[in-house]
Amino acid sequence: QSALTQPRSVSGSPGQSVTISCTGTRSDVGAYNYVTWYQQHPGKVPKFMMYDVSKRPSGVPDRFSGSKSGNTASLTISGLQAEDEADYYCCSYAGTYTWVFGGGTTLTVL
Amino acid sequence: QVQFVQSGAEVKKPGASVKVSCKASGFTFSSYVIHWVRQAPGQRLEWMGWIHAGNANTKYSQNFQGRVAISRDASASTAYMELNSLRSEDTAIYYCTRDWLDNSGSFDSWGQGTLVTVSS
Repeated sequence: QSALTQPRSVSGSPGQSVTISCTGTRSDVGAYNYVTWYQQHPGKVPKFMMYDVSKRPSGVPDRFSGSKSGNTASLTISGLQAEDEADYYCCSYAGTYTWVFGGGTTLTVL
Repeated sequence: QVQFVQSGAEVKKPGASVKVSCKASGFTFSSYVIHWVRQAPGQRLEWMGWIHAGNANTKYSQNFQGRVAISRDASASTAYMELNSLRSEDTAIYYCTRDWLDNSGSFDSWGQGTLVTVSS
């Protein structure tokens, strides 16, 4: 199973919007609406941020939104805040009850 | 509240095995699927496999086929991950996590992680 492809890094200024892409194949991201996103601050445990492509778990600000087009899923963070600076990972169902994570993206708030 | 407490850090020699435990509390353990995910130093998250805590069905990543075994003791609300034939590349933090939504990959709660170091 190959990792999903994410940009190594993205950046934005406070108040701006950034989008993190997650590209897979017709066998994972493109085939199912089971894409999830996780936020991980340095030295911390991953935090569940988005499920089923675009649904936010309770407690996640509505500044975070998700979408998917074809084989690419995206996480958009609007109104960037300093505390959003972290690593972000996408994860997709890959069929036969297996999952695959992306390579991770480091978000820097300038 | 949902909580996972994992066993402590381990140091192993190449070729050895390691077994990490993950004790759950705050929810009905047997109703959920427990996944294991690892993260090598400075690297990405990597999915390893899962176990249904109720019926003990399992599924593993092909990347670990034959080397990993996930089990559970439902009476103790504890899941286990055993990795065999360890090599230096297996040095990582190993996490257990709960699939909140019917094995959809929605990992809502995570253990604190167990660092496994493989070194001669």
